[in-house]
Amino acid sequence: NAGVTQTPKFQVLKTGQSMTLQCAQDMNHEYMSWYRQDPGMGLRLIHYSVGAGITDQGEVPNGYNVSRSTTEDFPLRLLSAAPSQTSVYFCASSYSLDRVDGYTFGSGTRLTVV
Amino acid sequence: GESVGLHLPTLSVQEGDNSIINCAYSNSASDYFIWYKQESGKGPQFIIDIRSNMDKRQGQRVTVLLNKTVKHLSLQIAATQPGDSAVYFCAEIYGQNFVFGPGTRLSVLP
Repeated sequence: NAGVTQTPKFQVLKTGQSMTLQCAQDMNHEYMSWYRQDPGMGLRLIHYSVGAGITDQGEVPNGYNVSRSTTEDFPLRLLSAAPSQTSVYFCASSYSLDRVDGYTFGSGTRLTVV
Repeated sequence: GESVGLHLPTLSVQEGDNSIINCAYSNSASDYFIWYKQESGKGPQFIIDIRSNMDKRQGQRVTVLLNKTVKHLSLQIAATQPGDSAVYFCAEIYGQNFVFGPGTRLSVLP
């Protein structure tokens, strides 16, 4: 089925460890983004990309890196995990920033940093 | 497992009744609004949208009302069903910026 695929679904890290959250979409969407979702708060934008080779920071980028070498993939890297990064992470994609009705979210990665 | 916070406001309705979920937005310049549904362990799903030049928009069993005077958005679900149980949140869009609300948990009672 077409859509946004995130892996892994669950992950536990120790403080200081690094890891990459994977996100892939097969809809040929140009726009991709990463959000985090914390208890009692709305989704907050971490990083986004408007096309291969182009990335930019969102509202809460510190501690995260991204790259966009292909249209399909948009991995999120945690450089040195901290307990404050415990959250649920969602990847989303769309044809463009203007096509907000076509925003498709992945099923999320629940990350716990101990 | 739950993917949304433990401290969300909760709305409990009887199966078959109508549900009304409210959202206050912050920016009077926002020109587009979306309602999302998020079921446990899943990502948000688009339900319905409305542009700022409209007051009302209807979909299948859902209606969104926009009151720009008081910066308020509501989602009405007709004949609520058990499958409607989820967290619902609104998003306001101005330019290229999305601002998501924290959400309301809808619980459908048998």
